[in-house]
Amino acid sequence: QKEVEQNSGPLSVPEGAIASLNCTYSDRGSQSFFWYRQYSGKSPELIMSIYSNGDQEDGRFTAQLNKASQYVSLLIRDSQPSDSATYLCAVKPQGGSEKLVFGKGTKLTVNP
Amino acid sequence: SAVISQKPSRDICQRGTSLTIQCQVDSQVTMMFWYRQQPGQSLTLIATANQGSEATYESGFVIDKFPISRPNLTFSTLTVSNMSPEDSSIYLCSVVRDTQYFGPGTRLTVL
Repeated sequence: QKEVEQNSGPLSVPEGAIASLNCTYSDRGSQSFFWYRQYSGKSPELIMSIYSNGDQEDGRFTAQLNKASQYVSLLIRDSQPSDSATYLCAVKPQGGSEKLVFGKGTKLTVNP
Repeated sequence: SAVISQKPSRDICQRGTSLTIQCQVDSQVTMMFWYRQQPGQSLTLIATANQGSEATYESGFVIDKFPISRPNLTFSTLTVSNMSPEDSSIYLCSVVRDTQYFGPGTRLTVL
């Protein structure tokens, strides 16, 4: 059973702080990793993809991947109240399928 | 990106009835999926909607309960049959272009 684990939170940070979200996965052969943001009552939207070990930066967002530890993280710098949402980690297991396995999500609240 | 619409956006249904959810994409896509998101939970894949052939269901989901049609490369339907309150969820279709994009979802409440 391929699994993706996230700390469900809630995670609360003050405005301007760094929010750190973590995810572990069970399928060692996984090659593609994604972070989706889901506002309450809305559908998930992709914010970051990462495919190789190291860091991937896009504006205030940095995704980090460590395949040896089977660990993915998302850092949000200068957190804003508009970042308050549930963040879903998703993993594409090995096998060539486009199917994704999702974690349960971490609810982030950024306090003004 | 992909522009995806779903109908209906929400519905309240009586137990024992069925509801068909439609998913329309702005242009042709090969891969289309249906997910369920139960209250407070993450997304669970129901099935892959295959154009011109029967859908491929994940463990725990069966065609009799969730029949899926995919008549062409821009459209699919998911039917939730013989509904019970446990079927109350958000149902989302998704498509793959450069990555996976989600429709706006259908919020279903079964009384």
